[in-house]
Amino acid sequence: QSALTQPASVSGSPGQSITISCTATSSDVGGYNYVSWYQQHPGKAPKLMIYDVSNRPSGVSTRFSGSKSGNTASLTISGLQAEDEAEYYCSSYTSSSTWVFGGGTKLTVL
Amino acid sequence: QVQLQESGPGLVKPSETLSLTCTVSGGSISSYYWSWIRRPPGKGLEWIGYMYHSGSTKYNPSLKSRVTISVDTSKNQFSLKLSSVTAADTAVYYCARGVVVVEAATGWSVGWFDPWGQGTLVIVSS
Repeated sequence: QSALTQPASVSGSPGQSITISCTATSSDVGGYNYVSWYQQHPGKAPKLMIYDVSNRPSGVSTRFSGSKSGNTASLTISGLQAEDEAEYYCSSYTSSSTWVFGGGTKLTVL
Repeated sequence: QVQLQESGPGLVKPSETLSLTCTVSGGSISSYYWSWIRRPPGKGLEWIGYMYHSGSTKYNPSLKSRVTISVDTSKNQFSLKLSSVTAADTAVYYCARGVVVVEAATGWSVGWFDPWGQGTLVIVSS
């Protein structure tokens, strides 16, 4: 079982906003849960969307935002578009100097 | 900009050693946490391990006994070796550059992966 728990799936209609949660279930991840978020389309490499909770790399749409509250981090996608349909993963660097990934969330755009 | 490209056999026999190389272009392999990550069919991402530019390594505890990651700075490459493979090691293998910084407010180390290679499918089968 992953130290980071994500919902298996979420869905939304075009134009809507959705939120994907990522909850730290291990003390190794720490109470801060400073996660990064990755988008993966089928057959493609994962792409960094958010790092250090809420920072967007250059070139990532402002429709993507990150936040956290306690042990739970969240990725919010606003103005949902068909191209956002993908798998999303959270990840955290642990106090043991290792990395862990969440189980992934499949986003379906209805 | 930095780009990563995996290379290696796409088919490995059970009990043999899987060997992959990641070539880094557009930047130096010094500094950063040069990492391997995989995604088995129908499953999520799994971190395998990294080598820091200083030569120190860290591996996923579940794979530690079978994994070796090394860096060749002269070729700007880093490599993965996974021994005694089984069908469970069938996956798309990605190389990625890991970044770790200290969060100023808390002193907690935070990390992320960017960029990633395109990935290479390795099938373990006789």
